[in-house]
Amino acid sequence: DSGVTQTPKHLITATGQRVTLRCSPRSGDLSVYWYQQSLDQGLQFLIQYYNGEERAKGNILERFSAQQFPDLHSELNLSSLELGDSALYFCASSTGTGPNQPQHFGDGTRLSIL
Amino acid sequence: SQKIEQNSEALNIQEGKTATLTCNYTNYSPAYLQWYRQDPGRGPVFLLLIRENEKEKRKERLKVTFDTTLKQSLFHITASQPADSATYLCAPLNNAGNMLTFGGGTRLMVKP
Repeated sequence: DSGVTQTPKHLITATGQRVTLRCSPRSGDLSVYWYQQSLDQGLQFLIQYYNGEERAKGNILERFSAQQFPDLHSELNLSSLELGDSALYFCASSTGTGPNQPQHFGDGTRLSIL
Repeated sequence: SQKIEQNSEALNIQEGKTATLTCNYTNYSPAYLQWYRQDPGRGPVFLLLIRENEKEKRKERLKVTFDTTLKQSLFHITASQPADSATYLCAPLNNAGNMLTFGGGTRLMVKP
């Protein structure tokens, strides 16, 4: 058990809809990361927050947004959903922001767009 | 552009043998390299981190090497077991941050 909790585990919705994915980081971790894993793209970094502030941005679409709240949990909002957004979305956390720190991953939210 | 290459084909080995997985990178000058294990439908699990000034790092049956001249890391599992069957991912990092850019992963199958 990594200590990172993601909800929901599965989400099925239709094109054009909006969903919110939630992540509770490991106790004491200030950094939260979001990753997308699809069959054709592998595991891709989307965005990072550290102690409530956006820290780094990867290949995140403009239709996607995220935030980290004062209690350090994070939400990833996906809007105007397209079939290609179907993927596993992982949240990870670490204590700080250094490259020598391992990241602890949740078990993901599987998003299926019909 | 930056590229991370891992064997896309599955590696099949017999239980008890040593598995060796390769991670090659181009247009990177990583200060660190991390290795993760991922089981189907689960999140990656951190295994080992190696720094650029370390040639080798060990943890139990795992060993990682880092050759900055060859731009390559090798990941070894000795005395492999069926429970080691999983996909193994490498992620080189520079000093600028710690968002992970993963290779495509290598699927390891250990047969009893």
